[in-house]
Amino acid sequence: GAVVSQHPSRVICKSGTSVKIECRSLDFQATTMFWYRQFPKQSLMLMATSNEGSKATYEQGVEKDKFLINHASLTLSTLTVTSAHPEDSSFYICSAGLTGRASGYTFGSGTRLTVV
Amino acid sequence: AQTVTQSQPEMSVQEAETVTLSCTYDTSENNYYLFWYKQPPSRQMILVIRQEAYKQQNATENRFSVNFQKAAKSFSLKISDSQLGDTAMYFCAFMKQPPNGYGQNFVFGPGTRLSVLP
Repeated sequence: GAVVSQHPSRVICKSGTSVKIECRSLDFQATTMFWYRQFPKQSLMLMATSNEGSKATYEQGVEKDKFLINHASLTLSTLTVTSAHPEDSSFYICSAGLTGRASGYTFGSGTRLTVV
Repeated sequence: AQTVTQSQPEMSVQEAETVTLSCTYDTSENNYYLFWYKQPPSRQMILVIRQEAYKQQNATENRFSVNFQKAAKSFSLKISDSQLGDTAMYFCAFMKQPPNGYGQNFVFGPGTRLSVLP
């Protein structure tokens, strides 16, 4: 099946620093990767769509300069939270854009970001 | 735009009993997929069951089954013989059918927290 590896699983950083989160597709090529954010006791909300070789598209209200997305290869998409602030503390999870029966098995394991 | 609604923020069920989680959605699309995901405390998204909108037959996976009513835009999940390990957050999700082979994003409902009581 399709496996998406996401790292790190947990990260604590100081306010003002940047943090990079990686999502790798291990046994398939992911032309598209989706990034979601989940605040405590809430649902997953789409932040942005990452397309290999092109600029990411961001959902309304998501700051593209704060959440930098790079999808330089068919197996790696990265989300960098720049100049992190405590309000950026959240659970971030990626999902590869697969079709057919694989479309449900595409989530990374998530990254819990805490900004102190 | 698509929206997904789950009207039960929390539910509880006795072990070995049956429970039904509700989900309704709104879309103008004709071809799409619907999913139920389980999110335990680890927060890993675990696929429970998947339904293609063009299929009239309700999907089943062991103790899990759905009641898909396309005209009513309803997609409920029934868990039979509930087990303690079923305790988790459950999300209903919608995905448009990809028009050109590329994947589409999920639209999630707000979730239902299910507790299975011993």
